[in-house]
Amino acid sequence: GAGVSQTPSNKVTEKGKYVELRCDPISGHTALYWYRQSLGQGPEFLIYFQGTGAADDSGLPNDRFFAVRPEGSVSTLKIQRTERGDSAVYLCASSLNPGGANVLTFGAGSRLTVL
Amino acid sequence: AQTVTQSQPEMSVQEAETVTLSCTYDTSESNYYLFWYKQPPSRQMILVIRQEAYKQQNATENRFSVNFQKAAKSFSLKISDSQLGDTAMYFCAFGGGAQKLVFGQGTRLTINP
Repeated sequence: GAGVSQTPSNKVTEKGKYVELRCDPISGHTALYWYRQSLGQGPEFLIYFQGTGAADDSGLPNDRFFAVRPEGSVSTLKIQRTERGDSAVYLCASSLNPGGANVLTFGAGSRLTVL
Repeated sequence: AQTVTQSQPEMSVQEAETVTLSCTYDTSESNYYLFWYKQPPSRQMILVIRQEAYKQQNATENRFSVNFQKAAKSFSLKISDSQLGDTAMYFCAFGGGAQKLVFGQGTRLTINP
């Protein structure tokens, strides 16, 4: 697609529920990143994929968080047993190649609210 | 680990004025990249400008320019002739060998008519 698409735009769920957030990157971009942005803060790195594999998942806060990219394109961030502290905007970004030199193109984010 | 610090939580200027946003960073790497991203209320992060650390010349993009001081690990953004559409959150980011961007806490910039 022309840009990075994230769905849903907004998600409200109850504590303890399971949530999936989807990211559709720019076609041909091999690198895909997930960031979490809490209110009034900068984005915090969660995980990045090079192709289908998770190259760096050091930012995932605990084992309730998991992400996949089975075909090297669309990625899904999965959160189990959601907690109120998981409330944030989850940003996805992609780049042609991985690496600190590369410009990331971001989606508009998925705002998750856990009641 | 790299850290990025933006010491100005909020700034406000009048339209057409010049404003400078500050950013400092800490790293032991010698080759890296620095970025300024803008995040309007729509939430979508937009690249404003990029600087390669090995280049001494400061990057410029129309009304946006940077003052990159490598020894001081400082990377400020100057916006000239500010416009109402410049109102947004601005994030400084570091990109190095770790293959991911590290962001600062952001500066909320308001341009007043």
